Amino acid sequence: NAGVTQTPKFRILKIGQSMTLQCTQDMNHNYMYWYRQDPGMGLKLIYYSVGAGITDKGEVPNGYNVSRSTTEDFPLRLELAAPSQTSVYFCASSRHTGQGYNEQFFGPGTRLTVL
Amino acid sequence: DQQVKQNSPSLSVQEGRISILNCDYTNSMFDYFLWYKKYPAEGPTFLISISSIKDKNEDGRFTVFLNKSAKHLSLHIVPSQPGDSAVYFCAATGSGGSNYKLTFGKGTLLTVNP
Repeated sequence: NAGVTQTPKFRILKIGQSMTLQCTQDMNHNYMYWYRQDPGMGLKLIYYSVGAGITDKGEVPNGYNVSRSTTEDFPLRLELAAPSQTSVYFCASSRHTGQGYNEQFFGPGTRLTVL
Repeated sequence: DQQVKQNSPSLSVQEGRISILNCDYTNSMFDYFLWYKKYPAEGPTFLISISSIKDKNEDGRFTVFLNKSAKHLSLHIVPSQPGDSAVYFCAATGSGGSNYKLTFGKGTLLTVNP
């Protein structure tokens, strides 16, 4: 049981380039999330998904796109990389039951630098 | 507008002593409060949570206290161990259908000295 895996671990992009950050979970969780963490800041929600085929914007969605074709995978796409997107990106998943609080499990993160 | 605030960027304590990490919030609609722990180069891991209907939740060496009237919560670690050295994030979420959206504070770096 690997939990939440993210690839790549590190990436350097030039301004205007595109890339996809991969995220996979093997816990059969229905909810998945993408966060970014800037230096000295907390995590901010970019996009989330409540199930395959359903995605919605979080707090900071501009410059990103997502898709969720399967329960396991939730890739994050950067179309035109900008220096402001330099950050550490975390993917997370949870089994949302609608009652109480459902723990979110995080991947190890992808450190992205845009130059 | 920061809805969850951790005003201490760092805290240093001696091994065996108590560590107290503080968190304030502004949104009275928050229903659950959690603490996540993060080691360098790893993702955050869930530590402990508390519902707004309680004022205390304990799990081993970790206790979270909630003061709703003051919109304040704190995490107590007793006794502190060097392995507790990490960044601790306070987070909050709403109830029912929205209890999956977490709002995080900026984090507090705890250093436990042997």
